[in-house]
Amino acid sequence: KNEVEQSPQNLTAQEGEFITINCSYSVGISALHWLQQHPGGGIVSLFMLSSGKKKHGRLIATINIQEKHSSLHITASHPRDSAVYICAVLNYGGSQGNLIFGKGTKLSVKP
Amino acid sequence: DTGVSQNPRHKITKRGQNVTFRCDPISEHNRLYWYRQTLGQGPEFLTYFQNEAQLEKSRLLSDRFSAERPKGSFSTLEIQRTEQGDSAMYLCASSFGRYSNQPQHFGDGTRLSIL
Repeated sequence: KNEVEQSPQNLTAQEGEFITINCSYSVGISALHWLQQHPGGGIVSLFMLSSGKKKHGRLIATINIQEKHSSLHITASHPRDSAVYICAVLNYGGSQGNLIFGKGTKLSVKP
Repeated sequence: DTGVSQNPRHKITKRGQNVTFRCDPISEHNRLYWYRQTLGQGPEFLTYFQNEAQLEKSRLLSDRFSAERPKGSFSTLEIQRTEQGDSAMYLCASSFGRYSNQPQHFGDGTRLSIL
């Protein structure tokens, strides 16, 4: 079993829909990242959070430390949101240097 | 802020050849990370540097792989005697700070294809 699990693996939505991507992890963490990867390969960091909730534009990220679960929400989705969204955790007390990544959720937003 | 730069963007080579990739981090960032990503998977950690010191290496980093960051600025990742299984996207990221819980900034990656 992977230490970081994401669901769903693939998601197709119509423009304007509210989207939720889930991330569950099995290790103690000091931080969780949500990343966006476009087809060319480049990765952009969307959020880093260790508690509560963060909002940036149409994106909202929440984390529940007790339940070891995080969600990424996209409101009023748009075709330009189509990308792979990756959850990654920084393992508390483990390695000082590395992130543990989920496999990603491929989102396609149709016009 | 010019971002993290990786070169080349694509590399196609024959099995058995050596390849070297370069990563230029954001200039004031002291921490630099290398990751590998195969198709349909999330990235996997390879190694990281704090300034010029290589502080950790993953088990994934066999003895055919070597990484350097000689002056604490740019870094190189070399793969010797490449194998089919080395085909992947190699990602570099950098961050600033004494501790690892700072946002990492990623480059666009180098896609390696082994013929």
